[in-house]
Amino acid sequence: AQKVTQAQTEISVVEKEDVTLDCVYETRDTTYYLFWYKQPPSGELVFLIRRNSFDEQNEISGRYSWNFQKSTSSFNFTITASQVVDSAVYFCALSEAYQGGKLIFGQGTELSVKP
Amino acid sequence: NAGVTQTPKFRILKIGQSMTLQCTQDMNHNYMYWYRQDPGMGLKLIYYSVGAGITDKGEVPNGYNVSRSTTEDFPLRLELAAPSQTSVYFCASSYSGQGGGGTEAFFGQGTRLTVV
Repeated sequence: AQKVTQAQTEISVVEKEDVTLDCVYETRDTTYYLFWYKQPPSGELVFLIRRNSFDEQNEISGRYSWNFQKSTSSFNFTITASQVVDSAVYFCALSEAYQGGKLIFGQGTELSVKP
Repeated sequence: NAGVTQTPKFRILKIGQSMTLQCTQDMNHNYMYWYRQDPGMGLKLIYYSVGAGITDKGEVPNGYNVSRSTTEDFPLRLELAAPSQTSVYFCASSYSGQGGGGTEAFFGQGTRLTVV
């Protein structure tokens, strides 16, 4: 069965600290897709990244970076030099191939960045 | 582009009442979804559609119905509202990408529903 686990329910850091959000997934498929979404206090869901199971290259986008390791079924997200505007709930999600693009979400990690 | 538009944004229902949450997208996406988000939880799939005329159940379909008569619209019907349906509802859309996986899903702003 498919499952996404975000073990960290809440994380609190001080501005400029680095923070890593963990995501562990379970799937029997060999072809799948992993996503991260951000939900700021305003409530909308903002897409951050999509990665397919055949691409284990790490990705960096500004202060954001993602580490995908198939060996440990993990897709962790690091924010470098965090800012107050990074405060949000972050969701990791999994989508399997040929399943209509359905997303299986983790329970989310609430990140609070204090000035 | 408007993207995914949901109405209403807020609604209070009494137990036993019915209502329809509207969702429309203008991106010509073939896939559409309804999710619910309970406090402190991730999103759970209620129903989804891979194209006009085709719908299927997700993880939590009980108490809901959907239809997809056009590519653009995917309304969610609540029959006989119950307190357990108090939640935030999100409509989303995406298109089928290479390899049979969905691409980035675009979400509506959400509907906050309270059943009292």
